[in-house]
Amino acid sequence: NAGVTQTPKFQVLKTGQSMTLQCAQDMNHEYMSWYRQDPGMGLRLIHYSVGAGITDQGEVPNGYNVSRSTTEDFPLRLLSAAPSQTSVYFCASSNLYEQYFGPGTRLTVT
Amino acid sequence: DAKTTQPPSMDCAEGRAANLPCNHSTISGNEYVYWYRQIHSQGPQYIIHGLKNNETNEMASLIITEDRKSSTLILPHATLRDTAVYYCIVPGTSGSRLTFGEGTQLTVNP
Repeated sequence: NAGVTQTPKFQVLKTGQSMTLQCAQDMNHEYMSWYRQDPGMGLRLIHYSVGAGITDQGEVPNGYNVSRSTTEDFPLRLLSAAPSQTSVYFCASSNLYEQYFGPGTRLTVT
Repeated sequence: DAKTTQPPSMDCAEGRAANLPCNHSTISGNEYVYWYRQIHSQGPQYIIHGLKNNETNEMASLIITEDRKSSTLILPHATLRDTAVYYCIVPGTSGSRLTFGEGTQLTVNP
């Protein structure tokens, strides 16, 4: 049981490039979400999904797309990276009460 | 989500109890109180949650006042590994959408 896995661990992008952050969970949770954490701040919700085929926006969705084709996977796409998207990105999956977080992807946009 | 207020930082001696307070005066009757912690640069970790009654698990105890306007997380015998940012969260009707504030930085000293 690996829990929540995220790849890559680190990534450097140039402004305007696109990429996909991968997230997978093996706990059969319906609910998955993406957060970003800027230095010295709490986590902010980007997008979330309540099941395969269903996604919705969180607090800071601009510049990001998501899709949920399977229960296990919830990738986050950066369409055109900007320096303001430099952050640590955490994926989480949840049963009704507990959220389980992945180890994070540290993204730098230059 | 109900707003929560926590002290920005606290210190505790190793082996002593750490008592972390949280005010949530706007909490409504069916909203749970959740506690998570984040050890440096890692993904947040669920600790405990409660509605009205005091709760205890292998990690901590949660004491909620009778009027539910405040709560205290108790780590009974703090260790150096408990040094982390502790977040008190009242997320609404389920634990699946979390709004992280700035939390309390707990430092456990030898």
